[in-house]
Amino acid sequence: LAKTTQPISMDSYEGQEVNITCSHNNIATNDYITWYQQFPSQGPRFIIQGYKTKVTNEVASLFIPADRKSSTLSLPRVSLSDTAVYYCLVGDMIKAAGNKLTFGGGTRVLVKP
Amino acid sequence: NAGVTQTPKFRVLKTGQSMTLLCAQDMNHEYMYWYRQDPGMGLRLIHYSVGEGTTAKGEVPDGYNVSRLKKQNFLLGLESAAPSQTSVYFCASSLSREGEQYFGPGTRLTVT
Repeated sequence: LAKTTQPISMDSYEGQEVNITCSHNNIATNDYITWYQQFPSQGPRFIIQGYKTKVTNEVASLFIPADRKSSTLSLPRVSLSDTAVYYCLVGDMIKAAGNKLTFGGGTRVLVKP
Repeated sequence: NAGVTQTPKFRVLKTGQSMTLLCAQDMNHEYMYWYRQDPGMGLRLIHYSVGEGTTAKGEVPDGYNVSRLKKQNFLLGLESAAPSQTSVYFCASSLSREGEQYFGPGTRLTVT
């Protein structure tokens, strides 16, 4: 079972880089790692997805070590609008639901002025 | 391109009443999902569908039924609402099983 563990919360300041690490010791060979962002009163929004090494898009980077037992979401130069909950998902929702492992508690990121 | 829309946005039910939540997507996605999110918690999958005419149970299916008669629509029904079903309900769709999920704006349901 690819159970994920993330910090419950993190505080940061505007302009800093935020790194959130997700542990997933039992990740399966064919599992992708996906991160979502959720603002209050809104549905989650896809941020980034990766399988191994490093993936970068216009909003974030995802670092995955060779053993794939963890992954780190990196948000460069955060602003107040990046205050949200960030969820790490390993595999797909259908598989996760079967294992009672859908979205976990997520990491609540607070960006301060 | 509206993406994923949900109807209604808010609803208050009395215990024992029934209702149907409608989810619609215009992206021609095969996969559709219904989640619930309780205060301060992550999302939990209620039911999902891998294509028109198919449905399957997720993590917390009890008390809910679903139907996918048309590819673009996924309906969630509560036959006899209970206070424990007070929650925010999100619908989502995706092109593939591991692909990016697109979420709707949510329906806030209160059962008194």
